[in-house]
Amino acid sequence: AQSVTQLDSQVPVFEEAPVELRCNYSSSVSVYLFWYVQYPNQGLQLLLKYLSGSTLVKGINGFEAEFNKSQTSFHLRKPSVHISDTAEYFCAVSPSGGANNLFFGTGTRLTVIP
Amino acid sequence: GAGVSQTPSNKVTEKGKYVELRCDPISGHTALYWYRQSLGQGPEFLIYFQGTGAADDSGLPNDRFFAVRPEGSVSTLKIQRTERGDSAVYLCASSLNRRETQYFGPGTRLLVL
Repeated sequence: AQSVTQLDSQVPVFEEAPVELRCNYSSSVSVYLFWYVQYPNQGLQLLLKYLSGSTLVKGINGFEAEFNKSQTSFHLRKPSVHISDTAEYFCAVSPSGGANNLFFGTGTRLTVIP
Repeated sequence: GAGVSQTPSNKVTEKGKYVELRCDPISGHTALYWYRQSLGQGPEFLIYFQGTGAADDSGLPNDRFFAVRPEGSVSTLKIQRTERGDSAVYLCASSLNRRETQYFGPGTRLLVL
């Protein structure tokens, strides 16, 4: 079974400041890792994903994430946030050896303050 | 091109009624997924179709929930004898095949009174 923990339900940050959204997972099998973003009144959009290879993954809108197998983490980072980054962010995993069913965390609400 | 579309965008029904939620995947996508997102929660997997067949329905909460995809394209999620606890946003996603990125629709917000 897989589970995802996003410890921070809400993260307020000032515009142009750096941000890190934390994600930890638990799984008995190897997994793929994802970050999705949900803007108000819009569907989920893929930010980035880790399947294999380099543990540092770059995504859209200047976001990046680092896979740390020993700490079972996949934290999302951005060096300088914009007002438009205000949204809900979901970390998700899927078993690497089966169908691509996604298991999501409870989400982190990022609010960028002008 | 067109993304995943879902209809209706909102549905209000009474406890005990039957509802159908529709998903139009991206053209050519063979894999289709249904998720349910309750308030304050992340999406929860319900069912996965590969082509016309339900390859994994382990996420359906009980036998009141059923989904079909008869021609391998459009899918319908059916909920019988709705309960207030079924109120949630129902999300559909599709991917080129089961290994590719899932693209999500805007969801159907279901409210059971």
